[in-house]
Amino acid sequence: EVQLVESGGGKVQPGGSLRLSCVASGLHFDNYEMNWVRQAPGKAPEWLSYISSSGYTTHYADSVKGRFTISRDNAESSLFLQMNSLRVEDTAVYYCARDRDTAPFDFWGQGTLVTVSS
Amino acid sequence: DIQMTQSPSTLSASVGDRVTITCRASQNINAWLAWYQQKPGKAPKLLIYKASSLESGVPSRFSGSGSGTEFTLTISSLQPDDFATYYCLQFKRYRTFGQGTKVEIK
Repeated sequence: EVQLVESGGGKVQPGGSLRLSCVASGLHFDNYEMNWVRQAPGKAPEWLSYISSSGYTTHYADSVKGRFTISRDNAESSLFLQMNSLRVEDTAVYYCARDRDTAPFDFWGQGTLVTVSS
Repeated sequence: DIQMTQSPSTLSASVGDRVTITCRASQNINAWLAWYQQKPGKAPKLLIYKASSLESGVPSRFSGSGSGTEFTLTISSLQPDDFATYYCLQFKRYRTFGQGTKVEIK
């Protein structure tokens, strides 16, 4: 059974940092491109970042470019999101999501809540 | 950036109704479009990819059509489990979600 389990969320003050993790099981993790997607309360999901299966190629949404960094450790079947300079508007549930060929976000984790507040 | 405009934002329907949701892209995205269903407190679930390909395990009452800039998601006969919010996603260049359509009980 495929599982993606996020962790690392919590409450942080504006300007602070957090590192999210997503551990995969039940799949050959290094075969898949991966993404981070977030969803603020009552809003549509927002794609944040993509990483290729090898980790060599990354892309970011303009809203997080220069503040967030995506990475992966294929040996540990893990995906990461380093979030710096956090803002109140970064408050959301953060999901990791898998890509499958021409089917984006075909599998999601359960999400981890990040709250940015003073 | 490619913008996605979904309509309607809310739809009231009854069990058994045929339901259509529209998504319009700000530029040509060919068939690089997907549809998702989301229920409260859960992650979105992939229904349709490449505009018209049904994801494995998704009931055949769901179908997608369109190409270029105009796309539709159709539920042929609405079931109680289908009351949810639906989102389109373009993946021609990076990824952009539509703003969502909430399907409510009439």
